[in-house]
This record gives sequence, structure tokens and C-alpha cells, in this order.
Amino acid sequence: AQTVTQSQPEMSVQEAETVTLSCTYDTSESNYYLFWYKQPPSRQMILVIRQEAYKQQNATENRFSVNFQKAAKSFSLKISDSQLGDTAMYFCACGTASKLTFGTGTRLQVTL
Amino acid sequence: ETGVTQSPTHLIKTRGQQVTLRCSSQSGHNTVSWYQQALGQGPQFIFQYYREEENGRGNFPPRFSGLQFPNYSSELNVNALELDDSALYLCASSLGGASYEQYFGPGTRLTVT
Repeated sequence: AQTVTQSQPEMSVQEAETVTLSCTYDTSESNYYLFWYKQPPSRQMILVIRQEAYKQQNATENRFSVNFQKAAKSFSLKISDSQLGDTAMYFCACGTASKLTFGTGTRLQVTL
Repeated sequence: ETGVTQSPTHLIKTRGQQVTLRCSSQSGHNTVSWYQQALGQGPQFIFQYYREEENGRGNFPPRFSGLQFPNYSSELNVNALELDDSALYLCASSLGGASYEQYFGPGTRLTVT
């Protein structure tokens, strides 16, 4: 069984600033993957970043990076140089090859 | 390259009826997953199909069923609709299982009255 917890329902950040979204998870699987997906208003869900749990190195994708703490089962997302286009719902997810479990999401608002 | 498409966009059904939702996967993708997203919630995994076989299922009753066709498109069928089935239904395709990047469709908004 897998559970994913996002404890920040809403966050706000000013343009060009840095923000960190929190996520904790629990899984009984030894081989699993972690994801952050972004769902802009009225638009399709897209992948932001992916982390293989067996890799110790934190994944990065341009302005997006994660802090993966395997022992603590924590997987936070850092967005640097926030842009207005980053405004969206952000979902953390934990998955195996045959199942993906999402958290309840964090609504991020980027302001001028 | 064509992305993931879903039909219909919106649907209104009455409690007790049956519904079929359709999904065309991205070209070359052999895996399709279906999710139910209630308002204000994260997507809930319904099931996954890999090469026409069910390859994983979430905590949904048997009245939720699916199919995957040889061209890897997929259907989600829901029988005996209940009010709580009202949600956005998302389809996602990938080159492998759920551990790979999934490409999501725009969803079908189902309202059960």
C-alpha cells in the first residue's frame, strides 16, 4: 500500500522568488518512483520531475529540483526563480510499475 | 505526434445508468492508466492496462471495468452509476508502467444526477 501526504493546501510566492513544496510518503515497496506533476487551471497534467528511489542523487530539471530524503520518506520540490506560469496545482505521487498514488495537491499562486 | 485524447469532454448521466469513456493513447505508448479526480482532490488510480491486459488496480469496485484495444486505445466502463461517481476521469499513457512519465489527456467530466 502507498500513501502520499501534502500538508500545504495552498502556497503563495512572489515572482523570481524560491518556494518549496512539501511531500511525505509511505510505501511497502522496495522499488518505487517519486514524481511531481503540475496541473495548471483548466489544463492537462504534466510531469515536472521524476526521481528513482534507488538513486541517492536528487533530480533536477532547470528551475525545479527535489530534496529526496529516503529514510524520512520525504520528497520536497523546490522551484527557483518562480514565474507567473508556475501558478498551478502541484501533485506529489509515488508509484511502482503498476500503480501510482497521488497526494491531495498544493495550490501554488505566483504573484507579481 | 498526437497527444492523449479523451471523449467525450463532458457527460451527464442518471444514477443507475452505465457509461463508457474513451481514450486514445499517445503514439507508440503501450500502457494506459485511468484515474478518478474528485473536485479538489488528487487523482485516484483506478486501473492500468498494458498490452491489452489489466496490469494493476486501485481500490475501485468491479463495476469499474476497462478494455485496451490492439491499437492501445482504451475504454473505461462504469455500471450502476452512483452520485459519488461524479468526477473528472483522466486517462494517461506511457511507454511502460506507472513508473514512467505519464502523458495525461484533458479528462472527461462526468456528472451523475
